[in-house]
Amino acid sequence: KAGVTQTPRYLIKTRGQQVTLSCSPISGHRSVSWYQQTPGQGLQFLFEYFSETQRNKGNFPGRFSGRQFSNSRSEMNVSTLELGDSALYLCASSLVSGEGHEQFFGPGTRLTVL
Amino acid sequence: AQTVTQSQPEMSVQEAETVTLSCTYDTSENNYYLFWYKQPPSRQMILVIRQEAYKQQNATENRFSVNFQKAAKSFSLKISDSQLGDTAMYFCAFIGFFQGAQKLVFGQGTRLTINP
Repeated sequence: KAGVTQTPRYLIKTRGQQVTLSCSPISGHRSVSWYQQTPGQGLQFLFEYFSETQRNKGNFPGRFSGRQFSNSRSEMNVSTLELGDSALYLCASSLVSGEGHEQFFGPGTRLTVL
Repeated sequence: AQTVTQSQPEMSVQEAETVTLSCTYDTSENNYYLFWYKQPPSRQMILVIRQEAYKQQNATENRFSVNFQKAAKSFSLKISDSQLGDTAMYFCAFIGFFQGAQKLVFGQGTRLTINP
């Protein structure tokens, strides 16, 4: 069974631009969560989608948004990029939401904002 | 709000030795889940071990075991017979039972190096 895939793997953008990252979960998984990883702040939860609905949202500004499609694939969008948005963005999928189900992580998208 | 603290930013041991990584957490919930995740250099994060708070028995996965002390809110990871492939960042993480979602709260991580 294929693992979680994320595209693109690397991105370089300039301040003020917007970016869209994509995540394809493991087949059959319906929950997709997004995390931001930086050296200073560590791993922080962005949001989770389950059955096309956002179930939970972390403490990030409204410039960060996401969605999930009927095939469980998910995208996250960051508008008006800032230098501080440079990070590794990780996507994780799980079979269902809640009850501490194991989350399987993708390789991440490394975003650099210049 | 829940918090997870890993007090050891870096650790280094010789191959075949036993090493223990510390983790403490803070929560007012009685039911929750605790995890240790491993992130090897330039590789994907993978789950090492999972513990349900309502289970008194400590979880074990081959060379990996935990010491879960619920009253002390402590959740340490022991790696026995360490191998070079155990070199990685290790993250302790928490999910509240009643959150109904998959929001993992992570510690800052411990960088573990296994030396030959």
